[in-house]
Amino acid sequence: SQKIEQNSEALNIQEGKTATLTCNYTNYSPAYLQWYRQDPGRGPVFLLLIRENEKEKRKERLKVTFDTTLKQSLFHITASQPADSATYLCALGYYGGATNKLIFGTGTLLAVQP
Amino acid sequence: EPEVTQTPSHQVTQMGQEVILRCVPISNHLYFYWYRQILGQKVEFLVSFYNNEISEKSEIFDDQFSVERPDGSNFTLKIRSTKLEDSAMYFCASSEELLGGNQPQHFGDGTRLSIL
Repeated sequence: SQKIEQNSEALNIQEGKTATLTCNYTNYSPAYLQWYRQDPGRGPVFLLLIRENEKEKRKERLKVTFDTTLKQSLFHITASQPADSATYLCALGYYGGATNKLIFGTGTLLAVQP
Repeated sequence: EPEVTQTPSHQVTQMGQEVILRCVPISNHLYFYWYRQILGQKVEFLVSFYNNEISEKSEIFDDQFSVERPDGSNFTLKIRSTKLEDSAMYFCASSEELLGGNQPQHFGDGTRLSIL
């Protein structure tokens, strides 16, 4: 079965620096990959989606890359702020019938220090 | 901005009892999902629902589980005879028309289910 690994340890960075979060997967490549933010006691909130034929996507201070050769996605938050502190989840999606199920990684806890 | 709403926010139930978790997806969405997250673990897919039928379900979604869209707005998850291991946060999600097979999913804030 598909295995997804994200930064195993919590990531602590200083305000203003760039946070880089890693998502590695094994086995077959997904058709697309999504990144979500999850705050304690809340549901995941969609941030960015990147397709298998795309190398990079940007949205404001966020950037995601997708390397199907390395089987890896990187998620960057530039000019990080304390409000960016949260758990970030990567989720893999596959084409197949009338479904859009996501397979989630365990998440990376990001703490931005003021 | 439209959002997915879930009720109740917290449900405490005795083992063996039936429980129904309720969700109101975003109104123009066509695809509906249930996920669960055991405390400290990853979000796990349970079931997807489209055109009034289940389109895919995971191994977790056994005969004790069922889903229903009883009217044009609600989407429910029923657990017929709860077990201790059913204790988790249950998230409902919805998405728009697939069109190419990938759309963001919009999640509710979940129902925390505690089985005693």
